[in-house]
Amino acid sequence: KAGVTQTPRYLIKTRGQQVTLSCSPISGHRSVSWYQQTPGQGLQFLFEYFSETQRNKGNFPGRFSGRQFSNSRSEMNVSTLELGDSALYLCASSSPRTGPSSEQYFGPGTRLTVT
Amino acid sequence: AQTVTQSQPEMSVQEAETVTLSCTYDTSESDYYLFWYKQPPSRQMILVIRQEAYKQQNATENRFSVNFQKAAKSFSLKISDSQLGDAAMYFCAYRLPIDDKIIFGKGTRLHILP
Repeated sequence: KAGVTQTPRYLIKTRGQQVTLSCSPISGHRSVSWYQQTPGQGLQFLFEYFSETQRNKGNFPGRFSGRQFSNSRSEMNVSTLELGDSALYLCASSSPRTGPSSEQYFGPGTRLTVT
Repeated sequence: AQTVTQSQPEMSVQEAETVTLSCTYDTSESDYYLFWYKQPPSRQMILVIRQEAYKQQNATENRFSVNFQKAAKSFSLKISDSQLGDAAMYFCAYRLPIDDKIIFGKGTRLHILP
């Protein structure tokens, strides 16, 4: 079974631009979560999508948005990029909750550099 | 709000020795899950071990085991017979059963000395 894939793996953008990152979950997984990882703030939850609906949202400005498609693939968009948005963006997928817990599987991440 | 604290930013251990990574958390919930994740230099986050709060027995996965002290809100990871491949960032994490949102600690960078 293929793992979680994220594209692109590396991205360089200029302040003020916008960017779209993509995440393809493991086949059969319907939940996709996004995290931002920076040296200063560590790993922070951005949002979670399940069956094309945003189910949970972290404490990030409205410049950060996401969506999920009917095939469970997800995209996140950051508009009006700032230098502080430079980070590793991780995506994680999990299967529908059929038991008390569902393990999350992480992708390799997209390294975004804003100059 | 739930928080996860890892007080050791970096640790080193001799190959084949045992090392313990510390983690404390704060929550008012009684039912939750705790995790240790490993992030090697390649950056792929991997689940090392999971503990359900309602289970008193400490979880074990091969050379990895936890010491879960619910009353003290402590969740440490013990790595026995350390190997060079264990070198990585280790994150302690918390999650509620109804949620996929994971709250991570800041991480502990583990160095394995040959």
